[in-house]
Parts: sequence; C-alpha cells; structure tokens
Amino acid sequence: GIQVEQSPPDLILQEGANSTLRCNFSDSVNNLQWFHQNPWGQLINLFYIPSGTKQNGRLSATTVATERYSLLYISSSQTTDSGVYFCAVGPSETSGSRLTFGEGTQLTVNP
Amino acid sequence: DGGITQSPKYLFRKEGQNVTLSCEQNLNHDAMYWYRQDPGQGLRLIYYSQIVNDFQKGDIAEGYSVSREKKESFPLTVTSAQKNPTAFYLCASTLDPGELFFGEGSRLTVL
Repeated sequence: GIQVEQSPPDLILQEGANSTLRCNFSDSVNNLQWFHQNPWGQLINLFYIPSGTKQNGRLSATTVATERYSLLYISSSQTTDSGVYFCAVGPSETSGSRLTFGEGTQLTVNP
Repeated sequence: DGGITQSPKYLFRKEGQNVTLSCEQNLNHDAMYWYRQDPGQGLRLIYYSQIVNDFQKGDIAEGYSVSREKKESFPLTVTSAQKNPTAFYLCASTLDPGELFFGEGSRLTVL
C-alpha cells in the first residue's frame, strides 16, 4: 500500500511564527486531505487538495502530485492552532480507495 | 445543524464483553467509515461502507463487526475476539468524492 511520511514529527512555535509541515507519499494519488486534530480528539478537515494550491485564511496547502509531496503552511500561528496535523492520501478520488493516514505532526504554539 | 454524532463518548467494558458504538449522520453522505486511533499514532481503517447493505473490511477488521441497514447509521461492534480493544474510535462520512468529515469520537477502555 501507499506509504505516508510526515515531517517534522514535533514542532514548537511561539505565537505569531510561521511554519511549514510536509507530507511525502510513495505512490501516485488522486486524493489528498489535511486534517487538524484538537487536544480533545476532534478531527477537522482543513483541505481536500489532490493537486494545486488552496488557501483558507492563515492556512494554505500545496500538493505537487508529480513529485509526491504536499505542504501545509500556517502563518501567524495562534495557540488555538495547537494539536496534531494529519495528511491522508489515496490512489482514487472516490471512497472506493481507502485513505492512508500519516503519523501526524504534533504542533505546540506557546503564548 | 448537519453533522456526525457518535455515542457514547466514553465507554468502559469488562474483558469478554461485546460493545456497540453508535454513529449517525444527517449529511446525506453515501460513504461511512470507522477508524481506530491508538495514542500518538495515526488512524487505521476498520470497516467502510459505500452504500446501504454493503460494507468492506479495512486494514484491521479482525474482532470487529458492522452493519449498514440505513443510510444514516453505521454502528460498530467491538467483539470479545478483539484482543486489544482499548482505543479511540472515530466514525467518518463523505460524499463521493469529497472531504472526509469526522464525528467527535468514542473512547473505549477495557478494564
């Protein structure tokens, strides 16, 4: 199956700093999503981004499918950005392809 | 509001007992999923269903069972055959294709 590697595994920032999280994957994908898991365990979908670039407020994501990686950018970080960020990928855009999750990046934003 | 409701949020079980976790969605999504998350790890797929009365095993289906009698409901039973059932269980759903949306999760502890 597809292998997903996220880096860094842990990241500690001061409020206001910018950061870049990376997701590498081992095979062609047509489905890539980024999630944020808050300290209570709730998973929120941030982006559905099998290719190209998207922005949503202080967050943006870029996927370069031909080079098998995706980047999540967080600008002007806030303490509420703390949590675990997961990348999940699949070979097909439909649910018939099961998403494989990476191990996540644990982000801590200090005031 | 539309969303995914999981219950119970916390559940304690004695060894040898079966337990059923509820997942209900009012998003009119066709596909539904069950994931398991162990501390400090990513999500692993247990079962998924793309349509009523049909479901497929995921990567770690042993010791679990599901049913999909209604579009809105996808309950998961953790049986006594599951050797290490203590975990955080997450239900999700999606339009096909599209973003994956999660419930708030159920924490199961075996005493």
